[in-house]
Amino acid sequence: AQKVTQAQTEISVVEKEDVTLDCVYETRDTTYYLFWYKQPPSGELVFLIRRNSFDEQNEISGRYSWNFQKSTSSFNFTITASQVVDSAVYFCALVGRGQNFVFGPGTRLSVLP
Amino acid sequence: NAGVTQTPKFRILKIGQSMTLQCTQDMNHNYMYWYRQDPGMGLKLIYYSVGAGITDKGEVPNGYNVSRSTTEDFPLRLELAAPSQTSVYFCASSAGTSGFFSYEQYFGPGTRLTVT
Repeated sequence: AQKVTQAQTEISVVEKEDVTLDCVYETRDTTYYLFWYKQPPSGELVFLIRRNSFDEQNEISGRYSWNFQKSTSSFNFTITASQVVDSAVYFCALVGRGQNFVFGPGTRLSVLP
Repeated sequence: NAGVTQTPKFRILKIGQSMTLQCTQDMNHNYMYWYRQDPGMGLKLIYYSVGAGITDKGEVPNGYNVSRSTTEDFPLRLELAAPSQTSVYFCASSAGTSGFFSYEQYFGPGTRLTVT
């Protein structure tokens, strides 16, 4: 069975702080994909990044960076110099060959001014 | 492009009533999905479709039905609504022609459904 755990239910930081959102996954598949999505207060889900299981390179996009480590089954997301607009619920998701997307429970990030 | 559109945005149903949630995408995506999101929870897959005429169950299909007669449309039918179906429903679509759901999904704005 596949599973995604986001142990941090809620995080609060002050603007300009760095924050890391944790994601730990379980799968028996050797080929799989990991995703991060953002759900701002308006409710829509926005795709942030996709990573396949064969690509362990870290990724940086502006203030966002992702650290994928197969050895610890983790795909953590870091926001550098957080801003109020980063306040949202962030979901980590996994899809393997079973074709079922499995979403984690989400981490609610509040960035205070 | 409008992307993925869903109607209605809000709906209140009485127990036992039925309704259809509409979903349309204009990106010519083969894959479409229906999820439900309960308060404070992640998304759970209800049904998905890999192309017109092909649908399959996700994690929580009971109480729902779908059809996919065209590439663009993927309606979700609730029969005999129950309070447990109170949730926010998201439709999504993704590209891809292989059997592997490796492509990112584009989500609609959601339908907030309350069953009382």
